[in-house]
Amino acid sequence: DIQMTQSPASLSASLGETVSIECLASEDIYNNLAWYQQKPGKSPQLLIYYASSLQDGVPSRFSGSGSGTQYSLKINSLESEDAATYFCLQDSEYPWTFGGGTKLELK
Amino acid sequence: EVQLVESGGGLVQPGASLKLSCVASGFTFSDYWMSWVRQTPGKTMEWIGDIKYDGSYTNYAPSLKNRFTISRDNAKSTLYLQMSNVRSEDTATYYCTRGLNYWGQGVMVTVSS
Repeated sequence: DIQMTQSPASLSASLGETVSIECLASEDIYNNLAWYQQKPGKSPQLLIYYASSLQDGVPSRFSGSGSGTQYSLKINSLESEDAATYFCLQDSEYPWTFGGGTKLELK
Repeated sequence: EVQLVESGGGLVQPGASLKLSCVASGFTFSDYWMSWVRQTPGKTMEWIGDIKYDGSYTNYAPSLKNRFTISRDNAKSTLYLQMSNVRSEDTATYYCTRGLNYWGQGVMVTVSS
């Protein structure tokens, strides 16, 4: 199985700041990486697919980048509604596998 | 609007079987691969498996394939997850997803005596 190592596990930032979350795959996943946002009590919402493609309706302050084994999610100009847990998922090779999640707290 | 509504969860005893359902609406169900994903109480996400749009092919997480079975009824726009010989570690919220893009609201399964 491909292991997805996500960092940091938690993050505290202020409104207006820019943050980045990383996912490291145990092998090349050829940009087959998605990012999700999950708010408490809600189901995950797709933000980014194929490493850098923005899902319809997702604010442009979210962006994804990376290649090979290293990927990142960047959130510019943090807003209060961005407080959530973020997960990465590789769908390059079965079984699909998730990162451990990053809990983003707004100060 | 895509809607996925899971049901069938609850409290079950270790060793029992349970079948979850997911009713889909707002799209042509028979056109899409569907998946099940679960999230433990500690918030760890685990992909369970998926099924081809016509039900002819399934993939599973190796650790679950001997106990979990995914099926679908395209005439009823319904996805199923049959869980057998459940264990305490199967306690989780189970999500039905359309191609990992759209997710249902989830259904809780608690395995305890």
